[in-house]
Amino acid sequence: SYVLTQPPSVSVAPGKTARITCGGANIETQTVHWYQQKPGQAPVLVIYYDYDRPSGIPERFSGSNSGNTATLTISRVEAGDEADYYCQVWDSATDHLVFGGGTKLTVL
Amino acid sequence: QLHLQESGPGLVKPSETLSLTCTVSGDSISSSSSYWGWIRQPPGKGLEWIGTIYYSGSAYYNPSLNTRVTISVDTSKNQFSLKLSSVTAADTAVYYCARLEFGVVSARPDYFDYWGQGTLVTVSS
Repeated sequence: SYVLTQPPSVSVAPGKTARITCGGANIETQTVHWYQQKPGQAPVLVIYYDYDRPSGIPERFSGSNSGNTATLTISRVEAGDEADYYCQVWDSATDHLVFGGGTKLTVL
Repeated sequence: QLHLQESGPGLVKPSETLSLTCTVSGDSISSSSSYWGWIRQPPGKGLEWIGTIYYSGSAYYNPSLNTRVTISVDTSKNQFSLKLSSVTAADTAVYYCARLEFGVVSARPDYFDYWGQGTLVTVSS
C-alpha cells in the first residue's frame, strides 16, 4: 500500500517560514491534502488539491507537490500555528485513503 | 453549514463489537458530491483511516482493519454507522466521522472537509 512519510517534528521561530514535507513514491502523480490538528480538537483542512486553500485559511498557508515530495509551507509563522499537521492522499491504485504519520510544528 | 455528530458507547469490552453512529445535519447524506468516512486516533498517535462509504452503500476499507470493519448508511435517518468487531485495547481511540468531497475531475473521494468533534472509545473490561 502507498506510504506517506513525514518528519516527526519541525521547529521554527515566530515570523519565520516553516516547511513540512510529505514523502511518497512519485507523489507528484497524487493529489495531496493537508490538515492542521490542535490538541483536543478535530483536524481542520488547510490545503487541498496540492495547493488550494479553503475559505478562512490564511494566505500564509501554501502547498506544493513535485517529484517524491509534497510540501506544506507556512509563512510568517505565528504562535497559533503550533499544531500537528497531516498529509493525506486517496490512492486510486488501491482505492485506499492514506494519512502521513503527522508532524508536530513547534513555534519557538 | 454541515454538521456531523458521533454517538455510541464510550466503553466497550474486549472481544465485543464497537458500534458508532454519525448523524449528519445541514445536508443530505445522499448528496452525489459526498462520501462519508470514519477515522480514528489512538491517544498520542496519528490519524488512521478506517473506511469510507457512499450513500449507495459502496464502501472502501483500510486493509489492516478490513476483516473486522463494516460501515453502513441509513439514508432515511441521514446517518452512517461503524461496526468494529473483536476489539482489543489497541482499538482504544478517538473516533471521528467526516465528510469526503467527491472530486468531479478526479472521480474519486478526495479530502475531508467537515469533521465531527470525535468520541473517545475505550476498550477495557
